[in-house]
Amino acid sequence: DAGVIQSPRHEVTEMGQEVTLRCKPISGHNSLFWYRQTMMRGLELLIYFNNNVPIDDSGMPEDRFSAKMPNASFSTLKIQPSEPRDSAVYFCASSSSPRGQYFGPGTRLTVL
Amino acid sequence: AQKVTQAQTEISVVEKEDVTLDCVYETRDTTYYLFWYKQPPSGELVFLIRRNSFDEQNEISGRYSWNFQKSTSSFNFTITASQVVDSAVYFCALSEVDSSYKLIFGSGTRLLVRP
Repeated sequence: DAGVIQSPRHEVTEMGQEVTLRCKPISGHNSLFWYRQTMMRGLELLIYFNNNVPIDDSGMPEDRFSAKMPNASFSTLKIQPSEPRDSAVYFCASSSSPRGQYFGPGTRLTVL
Repeated sequence: AQKVTQAQTEISVVEKEDVTLDCVYETRDTTYYLFWYKQPPSGELVFLIRRNSFDEQNEISGRYSWNFQKSTSSFNFTITASQVVDSAVYFCALSEVDSSYKLIFGSGTRLLVRP
């Protein structure tokens, strides 16, 4: 069974450009999470969806960040415009219960 | 407010030594879950174990064991006879039922196992 799929795995872009990160959760999971990992702040939750509805977006750093989940099998995290401080590894995770969240391989974003 | 503290930033051991990674948590909930994740140098986050707040029984899985003590709000992780492949960053995390199961991570402990 396929795990959480993220694309792209690596993204290098220039400041000011729009960046879109994609996630396909594990089939049957009804919760989806976006996390960001940096050296300074560690792993932090950006936004959480349940049954495709955003439940908690308090971790989204600012208006430049937006996330959508148009259906149960796809989610996007968009940064527009991107800034160098957005450079990080972005993880998507999915879950069907408190049993545990399963993480994708991450997208390493570098903003020059 | 919920919080997870991993006071050990980095641990270095020689292969075959036993090592314990500490995790202390704070929560007001009576129902919660605790997790350990492993992040090897390749970067992915690997789920290791989940414990719910009503189950204080220690668990052993091969060389890994976990000690959950509610009295001290700790959920420590021990690797017996460590191997070089155990080198990774290990994260402890807390999930509260009331917060829709989102994970609060500790800052991680980097384990280096030297041959």
